[in-house]
Amino acid sequence: ETGVTQSPTHLIKTRGQQVTLRCSSQSGHNTVSWYQQALGQGPQFIFQYYREEENGRGNFPPRFSGLQFPNYSSELNVNALELDDSALYLCASSKRDRGRSYEQYFGPGTRLTVT
Amino acid sequence: GDSVTQMEGPVTLSEEAFLTINCTYTATGYPSLFWYVQYPGEGLQLLLKATKADDKGSNKGFEATYRKETTSFHLEKGSVQVSDSAVYFCALSDPGSGNTGKLIFGQGTTLQVKP
Repeated sequence: ETGVTQSPTHLIKTRGQQVTLRCSSQSGHNTVSWYQQALGQGPQFIFQYYREEENGRGNFPPRFSGLQFPNYSSELNVNALELDDSALYLCASSKRDRGRSYEQYFGPGTRLTVT
Repeated sequence: GDSVTQMEGPVTLSEEAFLTINCTYTATGYPSLFWYVQYPGEGLQLLLKATKADDKGSNKGFEATYRKETTSFHLEKGSVQVSDSAVYFCALSDPGSGNTGKLIFGQGTTLQVKP
């Protein structure tokens, strides 16, 4: 196991609702990245947080937003849920030091179903 | 843009057979390359990595060599076990992403090993 935890494990929401997913990073890591994995696909990068600020974003609309806290944990918020948002959401923590990013370690994911 | 292409699955093998999963990539710079494994209902686990041309990553009997001339990073194992049944993802660390270490994944290859 990686030491990265995510909550909840499963979630069912209705189209138009808002959802918050949570991630606790591995000890010693200061960076959190979020990925969306649709069924049968590889994960897609949503964004990354470092020093409590967004540090890089993939091709996702602004209704996907996030936070990072002083203890390096993170939240992913999705507003105005759409059916296509149904996916496994993966959090990955890593260490960034002197401008270099080290390998990412993934949590077990949160399975979001939008009906 | 940068991308990763994996062989289509599922790959079905008998126990102790030789495994190859092909992976090729397109990148403008000099990416780091990774193989991740995803067991049913779980997140991604880093299996092995290579950071420069001709490097060989290895772990748990799996190995892959970074081939810059063919832009490939094929995964191999000499003798698979039933417990190796999982989905395998090839990924690169996008050199164009600055220092985020953003990962770009292939679509995944499902491996089924039968006793």
